[in-house]
Amino acid sequence: GESVGLHLPTLSVQEGDNSIINCAYSNSASDYFIWYKQESGKGPQFIIDIRSNMDKRQGQRVTVLLNKTVKHLSLQIAATQPGDSAVYFCAEFPGGFKTIFGAGTRLFVKA
Amino acid sequence: AAGVIQSPRHLIKEKRETATLKCYPIPRHDTVYWYQQGPGQDPQFLISFYEKMQSDKGSIPDRFSAQQFSDYHSELNMSSLELGDSALYFCASSLRQLGYGYTFGSGTRLTVV
Repeated sequence: GESVGLHLPTLSVQEGDNSIINCAYSNSASDYFIWYKQESGKGPQFIIDIRSNMDKRQGQRVTVLLNKTVKHLSLQIAATQPGDSAVYFCAEFPGGFKTIFGAGTRLFVKA
Repeated sequence: AAGVIQSPRHLIKEKRETATLKCYPIPRHDTVYWYQQGPGQDPQFLISFYEKMQSDKGSIPDRFSAQQFSDYHSELNMSSLELGDSALYFCASSLRQLGYGYTFGSGTRLTVV
């Protein structure tokens, strides 16, 4: 089946550095993507979204890049902080109201 | 700002019992999505509702049913609970077209013993 996947299961960065988390999707019909973070035992927290008619979207300290040619998403976190430590998921909406989540990437921020 | 409200936060049930989970979307949001996330697993899409009608269906077991009410809140009913139903169940809501204002709830932690 079609799926969304993350390239790296674990990412460790130094506090203050920039983090880049990658995601590959396989459904070319997907027109909406989101990134969210999830802390242990908690519900997911929306970070940023992007539609397929955009290549880049910026939020506060976060940027999402979408490369439709290679079906790739990335989440960039600037000046990573200890509070950014969590599991990050990408998800795609391939039409209708369904959602496909990929395997998460755990981000460790070292002080 | 109002968020997506889920109740209860935690629920413990015995095998073969029933459970009802509730989701209150952000005001004026007309779409609700339900997801199941087992321990250490990716979330799995269960079902969604748009304007009180089922809009899409994912991997929802036949033992589960859901509906969206006139006030747009939604309930997930789970019967004949099994140990494998233990998971975090979270919902999300959005406005009109897919994704606008997409917001997650904090989830209900269901434990079946």
